[in-house]
Amino acid sequence: DAGITQSPRHKVTETGTPVTLRCHQTENHRYMYWYRQDPGHGLRLIHYSYGVKDTDKGEVSDGYSVSRSKTEDFLLTLESATSSQTSVYFCAISEIAPGQGAGYTFGSGTRLTVV
Amino acid sequence: GNSVTQMEGPVTLSEEAFLTINCTYTATGYPSLFWYVQYPGEGLQLLLKATKADDKGSNKGFEATYRKETTSFHLEKGSVQVSDSAVYFCALSDRNNAGNMLTFGGGTRLMVKP
Repeated sequence: DAGITQSPRHKVTETGTPVTLRCHQTENHRYMYWYRQDPGHGLRLIHYSYGVKDTDKGEVSDGYSVSRSKTEDFLLTLESATSSQTSVYFCAISEIAPGQGAGYTFGSGTRLTVV
Repeated sequence: GNSVTQMEGPVTLSEEAFLTINCTYTATGYPSLFWYVQYPGEGLQLLLKATKADDKGSNKGFEATYRKETTSFHLEKGSVQVSDSAVYFCALSDRNNAGNMLTFGGGTRLMVKP
C-alpha cells in the first residue's frame, strides 16, 4: 500500500547487534502497530502506538522497544538481536480504533534474519 | 482474554469448488470481526468485516456472517479460483476490552488447483 512503507525490506544481522526497523506512513493515522509473523503462531503484537510519544506493549514485547516522535514514523528496535527474533515483521496503521469497526492497513513486511 | 481459532490448513481445493474456512472466537465484550488475506510475499489486506451480530460482510465473492450465538465468523466462497490461493486470517477487536488492537487467528492456507 502506497500509504505505508517499511524499511528495510530484508536484513541479515548478527546475534547481539542492535537493529532498527522503520515504518513510515503518509495517511496521518493515529494508530500504528508492530506485529511479527511466525509459522504456527500467526501474527503476534509486539508494540503499538496510539499517538505521538504514546506507546504500549503487546503480547511479545520482551527484547523490543519502540519510539514514535512524529505521527508518520514508528520505529521498532531490537536492543540485542537473538536468533529467536528471526521473523517477518509487519507494521500496520489505523485511522480509528479497530474496536470501532475499522481495520488495519498493513505494510509489505520486513524479513529479518539473525545469524 | 480475547482469542481467535481457525481451522488448520492447508485447505486444498479444485477450481470452482465451494470454500469454507471456519473461524470461532472468544471475547469478553462485543467484538468487530474481520477476515484478512495474505498473498505470497505481501502484507495482509482487509477482505471483509462485520461489526454487529447477523451482519454479513462480503467482498470479491467471499462472504462471512457474524453469528453471536455460535461465536463464529466462517468465510465462504461459492466457486474458488486459482488466484484465491493465499493465507486467510480471521481477527477480532473488542471495543469493550483493548479495543485499540486486533487479535488474529493462526491463519489458514488455501491452495486451489486448476
